[in-house]
Amino acid sequence: GENVEQHPSTLSVQEGDSAVIKCTYSDSASNYFPWYKQELGKRPQLIIDIRSNVGEKKDQRIAVTLNKTAKHFSLHITETQPEDSAVYFCAATLGAGGTSYGKLTFGQGTILTVHP
Amino acid sequence: KAGVTQTPRYLIKTRGQQVTLSCSPISGHRSVSWYQQTPGQGLQFLFEYFSETQRNKGNFPGRFSGRQFSNSRSEMNVSTLELGDSALYLCASSLYPQTSSSYEQYFGPGTRLTVT
Repeated sequence: GENVEQHPSTLSVQEGDSAVIKCTYSDSASNYFPWYKQELGKRPQLIIDIRSNVGEKKDQRIAVTLNKTAKHFSLHITETQPEDSAVYFCAATLGAGGTSYGKLTFGQGTILTVHP
Repeated sequence: KAGVTQTPRYLIKTRGQQVTLSCSPISGHRSVSWYQQTPGQGLQFLFEYFSETQRNKGNFPGRFSGRQFSNSRSEMNVSTLELGDSALYLCASSLYPQTSSSYEQYFGPGTRLTVT
């Protein structure tokens, strides 16, 4: 089955700096890669996603890049703010069919701390 | 539009008991997935339901089961509780089965289960 590795496990930055979180996946058939942000005591929130037919996607200060050949994808946060502090999870899935229905395979999470 | 809701939010049970958790998806969403979140294992997929049918199941023992009703609401049940079942149980809903273009999963707030 799919396996997702996420690095780093913790990341500490100063406000205004950029943060990058990287994930690798094992199943070359995976074609949908969402990123979730989970604040303490809250639900995971979908912040951005990318599909395998796209190499990069951006939404304001957040961007995700995908390298299908190397089977890795990354989350980039620019101009970080203290409210960006949270745990970030990457995930992968084969979007349609087979044994993939409804199953997201998650990375282990990255604790991001943004210092004012 | 109201988000995914889960009840109860907190639950304390003793070993050997059973528990039923409930999830109401976003209106119009027909697919419900369940995940277990623990500090040690992270987010792990339990199962997914669509049209009252379980289409996918994760690597959990048979003590974990679920069902979905005609209104798309879903329940999961854990029988003969063990200490290791203490976790945050999250459900997520999706608009369509993942044979279409809509793969996004939106999470509920979770049920915090403590087994003593």
